[in-house]
Amino acid sequence: LAKTTQPISMDSYEGQEVNITCSHNNIATNDYITWYQQFPSQGPRFIIQGYKTKVTNEVASLFIPADRKSSTLSLPRVSLSDTAVYYCLVGDMSYGGATNKLIFGTGTLLAVQP
Amino acid sequence: GAVVSQHPSWVICKSGTSVKIECRSLDFQATTMFWYRQFPKQSLMLMATSNEGSKATYEQGVEKDKFLINHASLTLSTLTVTSAHPEDSSFYICSASLWDRYNEQFFGPGTRLTVL
Repeated sequence: LAKTTQPISMDSYEGQEVNITCSHNNIATNDYITWYQQFPSQGPRFIIQGYKTKVTNEVASLFIPADRKSSTLSLPRVSLSDTAVYYCLVGDMSYGGATNKLIFGTGTLLAVQP
Repeated sequence: GAVVSQHPSWVICKSGTSVKIECRSLDFQATTMFWYRQFPKQSLMLMATSNEGSKATYEQGVEKDKFLINHASLTLSTLTVTSAHPEDSSFYICSASLWDRYNEQFFGPGTRLTVL
C-alpha cells in the first residue's frame, strides 16, 4: 500500500478556497486516491475519489497530475463547519483488487476561522 | 443509503471485563467489514478485516485472542475486547463495503470505550 504524506495542519478563513495536497510517490497502477473527512468523535466520511486528471462532485474537486504521485483536494468557499481532519488514502479499490483495506496516514487538520 | 451503525456509542467498564461492540450495515449487505482503533489526536489504525462466514484477518501487532471478531451475517460484525485494560480505552470504528461498490467504505459513528 502506498504511503501518503500530507501537511499536519492548515488554517483558512470562511469563504476561501482551500487546497490540501497529498504526496504518494509509490502509487501503484491499480491504486485509486480517496479522501475522507473526519469530525471529532465521529467516523470518517467519504468526500471524493479519483484515478487520474480531475474529479468534481457537489462538495469538492480532486486534481491528480499525469504522474499521479500527488493529488490535491480542493474545497471551495469553506465555512466553519468544514473544520475537520482530512485524510488522503491510496489503495487498490478495484473489484477483486489486491486489497480493499484502507491505511490512514496522519491526515490534515483544517481549521477554518471566521 | 449505505448507513452503518454501531452499538453502543460509548461504554465504560471495569478492568478485566469483556466488552462487545456491534457493527451493522442497515440498508445493504456488507461482504467485508473493517475494524479500526483511534487514540486521541491520532489517526485511525486498522485492526482487522472481517469477511462474512470466515475468520478475520488481523493486522500485524493486533492480538486476535484479545480482539475477537465475528462476522456472522452480511449485516453484522462484532468486536469483543476480552479482559479489557485501561490501555484498551480508545475510539473503535467499523466500516463496511458493498460487493458492488467496493471502491467506497462506509464508516460507522464509532464506539468510545473507557476501561477503568
